[in-house]
Amino acid sequence: SQTIHQWPATLVQPVGSPLSLECTVEGTSNPNLYWYRQAAGRGLQLLFYSVGIGQISSEVPQNLSASRPQDRQFILSSKKLLLSDSGFYLCAWNQRADNEQFFGPGTRLTVL
Amino acid sequence: GDSVTQMEGPVTLSEEAFLTINCTYTATGYPSLFWYVQYPGEGLQLLLKATKADDKGSNKGFEATYRKETTSFHLEKGSVQVSDSAVYFCALIGADNNAGNMLTFGGGTRLMVKP
Repeated sequence: SQTIHQWPATLVQPVGSPLSLECTVEGTSNPNLYWYRQAAGRGLQLLFYSVGIGQISSEVPQNLSASRPQDRQFILSSKKLLLSDSGFYLCAWNQRADNEQFFGPGTRLTVL
Repeated sequence: GDSVTQMEGPVTLSEEAFLTINCTYTATGYPSLFWYVQYPGEGLQLLLKATKADDKGSNKGFEATYRKETTSFHLEKGSVQVSDSAVYFCALIGADNNAGNMLTFGGGTRLMVKP
């Protein structure tokens, strides 16, 4: 069966520090991968999606970047965090032939 | 572009009350519609879905019917439990969506059920 992992589960970082959040998927190949952010009390915002290794599409201009160095690995990064980067970050995957998305457990990021 | 509008929360109900969370959408053609649930501190889980007009998705006592004429996908449950307390997201994938199969989410509705 397929599983999706995210780490860390929680993170507290100072403003201006770098960020690296990792997402990995097991039990499938060539998935579409997604990064979402959920700000406190708000809905979900799609940040990035990837349809293959090295292929990244950005939905909104921002302080973050994403990379996909391996088929089932999706990384969210920042060189210098802002206070506004605080939120709950969710990774998700699906197959091209199937429209249902499966979400990871999320990473709660607090920038102080 | 595509959009999803949900009723704002929080919705507070007593146990065994009837639940309705409204969801309407704007999209071209016939999108696929979803309800996701997020329990406290967790990621999202698919609750139910419907992929064509008049389909009814159902799971765990929850139901939603794809209404093309009113562009709606309201979530209902006849008798809520305390364990149903969570945030509920309505979402769609547009009919003209290509390789990404990207979801467009509503803002989420927090449900609190009191014993």
